[in-house]
Amino acid sequence: NAGVMQNPRHLVRRRGQEARLRCSPMKGHSHVYWYRQLPEEGLKFMVYLQKENIIDESGMPKERFSAEFPKEGPSILRIQQVVRGDSAAYFCASSLPGGRSTEAFFGQGTRLTVV
Amino acid sequence: GNSVTQMEGPVTLSEEAFLTINCTYTATGYPSLFWYVQYPGEGLQLLLKATKADDKGSNKGFEATYRKETTSFHLEKGSVQVSDSAVYFCALTYSSYKLIFGSGTRLLVRP
Repeated sequence: NAGVMQNPRHLVRRRGQEARLRCSPMKGHSHVYWYRQLPEEGLKFMVYLQKENIIDESGMPKERFSAEFPKEGPSILRIQQVVRGDSAAYFCASSLPGGRSTEAFFGQGTRLTVV
Repeated sequence: GNSVTQMEGPVTLSEEAFLTINCTYTATGYPSLFWYVQYPGEGLQLLLKATKADDKGSNKGFEATYRKETTSFHLEKGSVQVSDSAVYFCALTYSSYKLIFGSGTRLLVRP
């Protein structure tokens, strides 16, 4: 049973380009979360999605960032016109529906470097 | 607001030493508390959790007790191994999502 799969593992983009990060949740999981980890910091919540719905995007920057979780296919975190400050590790997690003790399983992350 | 504070790292220990990583939290109500571990180049793995006051979470020799009176959830292990070298994150949540993480504590265990 594969875990949460993220790709690519490493992504290098020049300033102004677009970055697309993909996340396939664990089999049977309908809830997906994206977190960002800046160097030497903890993870910060960005967005929570269910299939075809954004439930909470309170942690997403207001501009340039968007996320989706379509009916078919992986969840996508999209960053337009990247800047150096977007360089970070982006982690996706997935879970079953449930209460606050429901475990979220994390992927290995995508490390974005903006040059 | 809700927050988690962890002791600064890195923590450097010799193999078989006793480990304590302090974690305190600020929150209203009764959050669930977690410890996650991140090995080099990997994602986070849930190490242990506690969902109510006085609960003790334990896994792989690690333990942490949910102390409401001191708002703490310190991680302990009686005898660390080189393979325990990693970054440890304390976290809390009120909901089924939106974990709030501490900044992490790097542990280095030397042979």
